[in-house]
Amino acid sequence: QITLKESGPTLVKPTQTLTLTCTFSGFSLTTSGVGVGWIRQPPGKALEWLALIYWDDDKRYSSSLKSRLTITKDTSKTQVVLTMTNMDPVDTATYYCAHVEMATVTSIFFDYWGQGSLVTVSS
Amino acid sequence: SYELTQPPSVSLSPGQTARITCSGDALSNQYAYWYQQKPGQAPVLMIYKDSERPSGIPERFSGSSSGTTVTLTISGVQAEDEADYYCQSADISGPSWVFGGGTKLTVL
Repeated sequence: QITLKESGPTLVKPTQTLTLTCTFSGFSLTTSGVGVGWIRQPPGKALEWLALIYWDDDKRYSSSLKSRLTITKDTSKTQVVLTMTNMDPVDTATYYCAHVEMATVTSIFFDYWGQGSLVTVSS
Repeated sequence: SYELTQPPSVSLSPGQTARITCSGDALSNQYAYWYQQKPGQAPVLMIYKDSERPSGIPERFSGSSSGTTVTLTISGVQAEDEADYYCQSADISGPSWVFGGGTKLTVL
């Protein structure tokens, strides 16, 4: 079965860079049509899509955060890494990684989710 | 930026039918997806491609689309259905992907 799990720091200081790792099993990120995405959720607020990497290494970023985000994959290790620079207290959120399935070229959805990782930004 | 609009809350009694709407300009030509999120848990995919139900999702959950509005319907709502529900779709200008603001379903 497909599982994903996020790992990384629970606390980062303002201006620091956040690095989160998504370790997955049950699928291959070399399979056509497959991807891994990152989504975050500030406490008590809505979900926000951040970034996505496809099997062919195509990468997509939220336009509002594009300058701060980098997503990479290590296929052999079955991991996807998200980095976010210049962290601010407003970035405090639970960060989720999720398995992506393509319905069409523009339409994707998140059918399996990790448990989430709460990241607090505070000095 | 592209937005999906949902009502903040819906309240009803057990056994009633809940209808949660999601509006967005591109929904007439982009698929919508629905997720259920209970407190302290990760979201769960409930509906994909407007009206398809993943295996394991109860039949009382259904989805439909009309123009620029999609609807999640829960027929015969149960106490266990109390949760936040989010729609998701594509902003093809990116392309990028957006979630609605979420609807809190309360079962009285």
